[in-house]
Amino acid sequence: AQSVTQLDSQVPVFEEAPVELRCNYSSSVSVYLFWYVQYPNQGLQLLLKYLSGSTLVKGINGFEAEFNKSQTSFHLRKPSVHISDTAEYFCAVTFGRPLVFGKGTRLSVIA
Amino acid sequence: GAGVSQSPRYKVAKRGQDVALRCDPISGHVSLFWYQQALGQGPEFLTYFQNEAQLDKSGLPSDRFFAERPEGSVSTLKIQRTQQEDSAVYLCASSSGTRSDTQYFGPGTRLTVL
Repeated sequence: AQSVTQLDSQVPVFEEAPVELRCNYSSSVSVYLFWYVQYPNQGLQLLLKYLSGSTLVKGINGFEAEFNKSQTSFHLRKPSVHISDTAEYFCAVTFGRPLVFGKGTRLSVIA
Repeated sequence: GAGVSQSPRYKVAKRGQDVALRCDPISGHVSLFWYQQALGQGPEFLTYFQNEAQLDKSGLPSDRFFAERPEGSVSTLKIQRTQQEDSAVYLCASSSGTRSDTQYFGPGTRLTVL
C-alpha cells in the first residue's frame, strides 16, 4: 500500500522569501510522484511530476522538487514566493493509476 | 473542450435524496477517475474507468455509491439515499491512459447534505 505524509498543514511565508513544502511517501514499489496546486473553488492543477531520470524536477510558476529515494521524500521548493502562490498544495504518488494524496499544505504568502 | 467539466458545481440535498453528478472528460481521454475530497483533506480515490469499463471501484464507500460511463465518455456518479457524511467535494479527473500520464482535474461538485 502507498501513503503520503505532508509534514506541515500550514506554512506562512513573507513575499519574496523562499519556501519548502515537505512530502514523504511510503511504498514497497517504485512510484511516480506529483505535486498539485488547488486555488479556492478550483480543481487541482499539476505543478510538476517525477517519473524517472533526473531527481531534480522543474515545474510551472518557478517551482521545483527533488526526489530523494533513500529518504523517500519529494519536497517542493520555490526560491521567491509571490502573493499569487497562496493556495493549497498536494503531494501525490501512484504506481498504478489512482493517485494517493497527502492531506495538503496551506501556503499563505504575506505581503 | 479545453478541460474537464463537472456539473452541477454546487448541489444541496436533503438527507435521503438521490443525487447525480456529471463529469465531461477531455475529449479522447480513455481514463476517468472519481475522487472525494472532504473538508480540509486531500482527495481520496473512489473509482476508475478505462473507456466504458469500470476497472476499480475499491474506493466507493458503500453500495449507495454507483458510477457509470456507458459510452466511454461522459460519466455519472450517483449517490442514493444521501447521508450527512456524504457532504464533500467530488472531483473528476481524466487522462490519456498510460500509467504515468498526468490526470487533469475538473473544478469539482460541492455536495452538501442537510
